[in-house]
Amino acid sequence: AQKITQTQPGMFVQEKEAVTLDCTYDTSDQSYGLFWYKQPSSGEMIFLIYQGSYDEQNATEGRYSLNFQKARKSANLVISASQLGDSAMYFCAMRDNQAGTALIFGKGTTLSVSS
Amino acid sequence: GAVVSQHPSWVICKSGTSVKIECRSLDFQATTMFWYRQFPKQSLMLMATSNEGSKATYEQGVEKDKFLINHASLTLSTLTVTSAHPEDSSFYICSARDREIQPQHFGDGTRLSIL
Repeated sequence: AQKITQTQPGMFVQEKEAVTLDCTYDTSDQSYGLFWYKQPSSGEMIFLIYQGSYDEQNATEGRYSLNFQKARKSANLVISASQLGDSAMYFCAMRDNQAGTALIFGKGTTLSVSS
Repeated sequence: GAVVSQHPSWVICKSGTSVKIECRSLDFQATTMFWYRQFPKQSLMLMATSNEGSKATYEQGVEKDKFLINHASLTLSTLTVTSAHPEDSSFYICSARDREIQPQHFGDGTRLSIL
């Protein structure tokens, strides 16, 4: 069975600083995908970044990058130059690449950015 | 592209009422949609996988007769909470994806409050 672990219930960072949100995973599948989503207080799930298990390069999307260490089964999200609008809940998720399978989520990390 | 619309966004109703929540993929066809439930400050828990033209697959512990899922077309899945009680109050969110490798796209969720 797949499992996602996020060990940081809350993180605090000042504006313009970088922050790393931790995520480790467990799976016996060889082919899988790792995702990060942002959920502001309004509730919608905003897709941030994706890393495939066979991707050799770490994924990047603007201020977001994913530090993928396959041997350690970790997929940490790095947010550079934090902004006040980054304050939200962040979920790490994974899915195997079989047809029709759902995302499984970690418990989430609440990020608070202060000025 | 890849927009998922969920309706209604907020429901308040009396105990014993049945509530129907709709999830539509607006610009793509989704053979599979997923229904999640989220309690405050917690993660998204997969309730069921909805397959067009066939019965939904429910996760362990989710009552099939309580949470009726119908996926009658490639763009619409519905979740009906039957005879809702206060303990069913939660945030329900659906998701779909248009191709197997793409990230899941989420509706904006439905906040259900049972009085």
